[in-house]
Amino acid sequence: GAVVSQHPSRVICKSGTSVKIECRSLDFQATTMFWYRQFPKQSLMLMATSNEGSKATYEQGVEKDKFLINHASLTLSTLTVTSAHPEDSSFYICSAITGGEETQYFGPGTRLLVL
Amino acid sequence: AQKITQTQPGMFVQEKEAVTLDCTYDTSDQSYGLFWYKQPSSGEMIFLIYQGSYDEQNATEGRYSLNFQKARKSANLVISASQLGDSAMYFCAMRETRNTPLVFGKGTRLSVIA
Repeated sequence: GAVVSQHPSRVICKSGTSVKIECRSLDFQATTMFWYRQFPKQSLMLMATSNEGSKATYEQGVEKDKFLINHASLTLSTLTVTSAHPEDSSFYICSAITGGEETQYFGPGTRLLVL
Repeated sequence: AQKITQTQPGMFVQEKEAVTLDCTYDTSDQSYGLFWYKQPSSGEMIFLIYQGSYDEQNATEGRYSLNFQKARKSANLVISASQLGDSAMYFCAMRETRNTPLVFGKGTRLSVIA
């Protein structure tokens, strides 16, 4: 199957700093990528849909000025958590779609801890 | 709106036995896709199996099979010959058209006992 990478896998930062998470499709072009957030012992919740070359579409309740998404190329989408606070601590995971398959391929996820 | 229901927070199964994880869904669309993912403690989401709403036969992938009952709107995952490495969270998910995001159920934690 297709491979999606995420970097970093784990990050600890101080409250008020910004953190950038990268999501890359390694062996295919992804016109659409999705960003999910997962709190402990909960399911994945969609944050936003990222389309190459256009503005991301955010789910209700997700602050677009806080969670900046950029999909500058067909293989890279970035999520920047601006002015992070402890309540932003979570597991962030991206997925990408290939052109011809039904499956969404997920990255390995990024664990963010804000102190 | 789409909705996925997994009613089993946790399940136990003896090694080498089969286990069924339940999933029901709700949608008004005629065309949709159903997925099962495995999430071990590392957090990665591992794709297991896919069933399209128009597929007449149940999907199978190795030890995984999907018991698709369209009229009942259920898409149960059957794992045969359970292994200790199958212990993980299992999520059922659905999407409408191909380029739309997945909606996930709350998950079922499967524990395989030796």
